[in-house]
Parts: sequence; structure tokens; C-alpha cells
Amino acid sequence: IQLTQSPSLLSASVGDRVTLSCKGSQNINNYLAWYQQKLGEAPKLLIYNTNSLQTGIPSRFSGSGSGTDYTLTISSLQPEDVATYFCYQYNNGYTFGSGTKLEIK
Amino acid sequence: QVTLKESGPGILQPSQTLSLTCSFSGFSLSTSGICVSWIRQPSGKGLEWLATICWEDSKGYNPSLKNRLTISKDTSNNQAFLKITSVDTADTAIYYCARSGAPPVHYFDYWGQGVMVTVSS
Repeated sequence: IQLTQSPSLLSASVGDRVTLSCKGSQNINNYLAWYQQKLGEAPKLLIYNTNSLQTGIPSRFSGSGSGTDYTLTISSLQPEDVATYFCYQYNNGYTFGSGTKLEIK
Repeated sequence: QVTLKESGPGILQPSQTLSLTCSFSGFSLSTSGICVSWIRQPSGKGLEWLATICWEDSKGYNPSLKNRLTISKDTSNNQAFLKITSVDTADTAIYYCARSGAPPVHYFDYWGQGVMVTVSS
């Protein structure tokens, strides 16, 4: 399954509601996770099984979706959210999206 | 506290075999439902899953690299290993090991810091 993330680059202001998209080439059956990767660091798990928040992750992060279309939402963007965000599917093989780089405007 | 740490040669020449070690603590690869995987990331690029080994010794490989990969484990010493044969410059990347559950809960909840591997003549 190939994953297409959009946009590839997103610039937003502190406090904005931000939405990142991940679209699969086939049905993902909700076996989708989101990772945050800050510069020079390993990826960090934010969301698994489409909408389950990993322990210790702030509640401003949420996930939704079904079928082939999934979304990561940050309800109120904070400066520490600057990072690249990857979606990852584990329904059929294991593949990552190409990432969305999130910047502060 | 779950931690993982990768180690490798740093630099190697084309056609050589890359050997990587993942040393972990805070969990056991003899526990039912636990797996360790290898993922890599070329500089400035995306993530690519390479291979997974689980508690009962089942293994999975990325089909595009399968012929070159061998994953193994040493449960008593809390280590997992990956060998990649016939490396070339395209294998230059940061290599991560990560813990996951067994399929279908095959997402990576803890990652190592990564180890940089450069293939150069």
C-alpha cells in the first residue's frame, strides 16, 4: 500500500488548528499510525489504530479517518510542534508516507 | 523504562556486508506478542521498514530488499541483529531499531536513537 501525504509543507501560526492528510492506495482498515519527527531525533509515536492517542502525547493531537483517507489534527498549534509528520500503515505490508513538514508562520 | 540502542560500523565499502546490533532493555523478546524491527532513513528523506523479528522467531522482510536481509535475535542478551549483504551507496542512511507488537498491532512504540551508516569507497 502506498501512502500519499499532503501537503508536503505546511506553514501555520501558533494557536491555529492544523490538519494533515494521508491517503492510501488501498483500504487501510484503520491500521494507521502517525509519527512526529523533530530535527535530529528519532520518530515518536503520536497516534495508533487511526485515533488512539499514545500515552504521554498532548490531547491537542487527534486522528481520524477510515478506508483510504486519514487525518491528523492539531487543535492549537504550539511552537514545539515544529516537526515532520509521517503516517504509517500496517494493514498490508508496512509503509510510511513521505511526510509533511510543519513550520510556524 | 523501555530503551533501545543501535550500533554499527559507521562506514563500510560497497559490496561489503553491513552488520547492525540493537541492544534493548525494559522488555523481553521472549514475551508473547513482542517484536523488534529495523527501519532506515536516508538523510533528509522518508522512512523505510526493513525487517521484523518476533518473540516466537517469526520474521518478515521488505520484499524489495528481502534477498539481502537477515534478521536474528539473542533473547538471553536482549539483542536483535540485522545483516545487509552487498551494500552500495543507496544503503547510506540512519538505521533505527524499534519495538512493536505482532501483527496486526505492528506499530512502533519505542525507537532507538539511530545509527548512521555510510557506504563509500
